[in-house]
Amino acid sequence: GAGVSQSPSNKVTEKGKDVELRCDPISGHTALYWYRQSLGQGLEFLIYFQGNSAPDKSGLPSDRFSAERTGGSVSTLTIQRTQQEDSAVYLCASRGLAGGHEQFFGPGTRLTVL
Amino acid sequence: AQSVTQLGSHVSVSEGALVLLRCNYSSSVPPYLFWYVQYPNQGLQLLLKYTSAATLVKGINGFEAEFKKSETSFHLTKPSAHMSDAAEYFCAVTHSGGYQKVTFGTGTKLQVIP
Repeated sequence: GAGVSQSPSNKVTEKGKDVELRCDPISGHTALYWYRQSLGQGLEFLIYFQGNSAPDKSGLPSDRFSAERTGGSVSTLTIQRTQQEDSAVYLCASRGLAGGHEQFFGPGTRLTVL
Repeated sequence: AQSVTQLGSHVSVSEGALVLLRCNYSSSVPPYLFWYVQYPNQGLQLLLKYTSAATLVKGINGFEAEFKKSETSFHLTKPSAHMSDAAEYFCAVTHSGGYQKVTFGTGTKLQVIP
């Protein structure tokens, strides 16, 4: 596609529910990153995919968080039993093999846990 | 190991004045450095990047940054601020080869006063 897309753009859920956030990277980009941006905070790294593998999951804050990537393309970030502290903007970025190593970001999903 | 420090979480300048946003990095290997801009309710957009070529890098919207190895700095400047420059700016560091984890600074919110 022309850019990185994320869905939904906004998600409001109740505490304890599970949510799934989706990222569609730029076609052909092998690397995919998830970040979390809480109000007034910088970007918190969550997980990195190279193809369908996740060699770095070190940023996932708890075992309630998981992510997968299929077909080397779409990625889903799942948060189980959501808590109010999970409220944040979740950003996805992708990067190709060529070029200057920059990441291309999607618009983000704003998650609000009531 | 790598890290980024952005001095000043908030910077205010008058319209037409010089913009200077500070970024210092730490990296055990030659770094690649980036500045991204985030407008309200949007993802991050690349402003400029340093990838070991020219030390003075020009980006979009009249911004530029100079890589100074001796000072481990990569400050972002613009000679004359416009109202449209009001946004949050993030400095980031990575390196070549292998898994390229990207480390972001905590961001600097730029306010432009008319």
